[in-house]
Amino acid sequence: DAGVIQSPRHEVTEMGQEVTLRCKPISGHNSLFWYRQTMMRGLELLIYFNNNVPIDDSGMPEDRFSAKMPNASFSTLKIQPSEPRDSAVYFCASKDPGTSGSRNEQFFGPGTRLTVL
Amino acid sequence: AQSVTQPDIHITVSEGASLELRCNYSYGATPYLFWYVQSPGQGLQLLLKYFSGDTLVQGIKGFEAEFKRSQSSFNLRKPSVHWSDAAEYFCAVAPYSSASKIIFGSGTRLSIRP
Repeated sequence: DAGVIQSPRHEVTEMGQEVTLRCKPISGHNSLFWYRQTMMRGLELLIYFNNNVPIDDSGMPEDRFSAKMPNASFSTLKIQPSEPRDSAVYFCASKDPGTSGSRNEQFFGPGTRLTVL
Repeated sequence: AQSVTQPDIHITVSEGASLELRCNYSYGATPYLFWYVQSPGQGLQLLLKYFSGDTLVQGIKGFEAEFKRSQSSFNLRKPSVHWSDAAEYFCAVAPYSSASKIIFGSGTRLSIRP
């Protein structure tokens, strides 16, 4: 398995532009997570999906952020309009429904480093 | 509310020396506990996890961790570190009853002195 795939790996954009980050979870995994990592705030959970349905989006910072999961193999995180304070590394992770032994193990993608100028 | 505390922001140890990274959690029942490692520019990789049973768990890369309920701790150890162990280490907790939500600590950056 290729693991969790994220694209792009790096994104540089100007303030006010729309940014779309993409994630392909591991095949067979039914939960997907979006995290943001910054020096100041560490690793924060933004939103997670179970079976393509958003379960908890309490970590989404504001209305400029939105996430979708149209099917089991694809998710997007969109920022519109982007601001310099959105600069961070955004990680996607997935998890399988599995037995109790593996149920809570999340597998992380390599991340997307976003820079908003 | 659940929380995870990693009291050491940055630790430097000599290559070949032993290592212990501290982690304390706050949760009303026995949680799932994890240690993840993040190398520079990389995503997080699971080192080991504790769900139940033996309180001393073995992980990859020669790491182990011990769950101590009385101290609400889950410290990570390695008897002899290698230069390639230099990375950021995250302790994490998830409720036993939850399918999904994991809370991460703030991380400990490990540097290795040649």
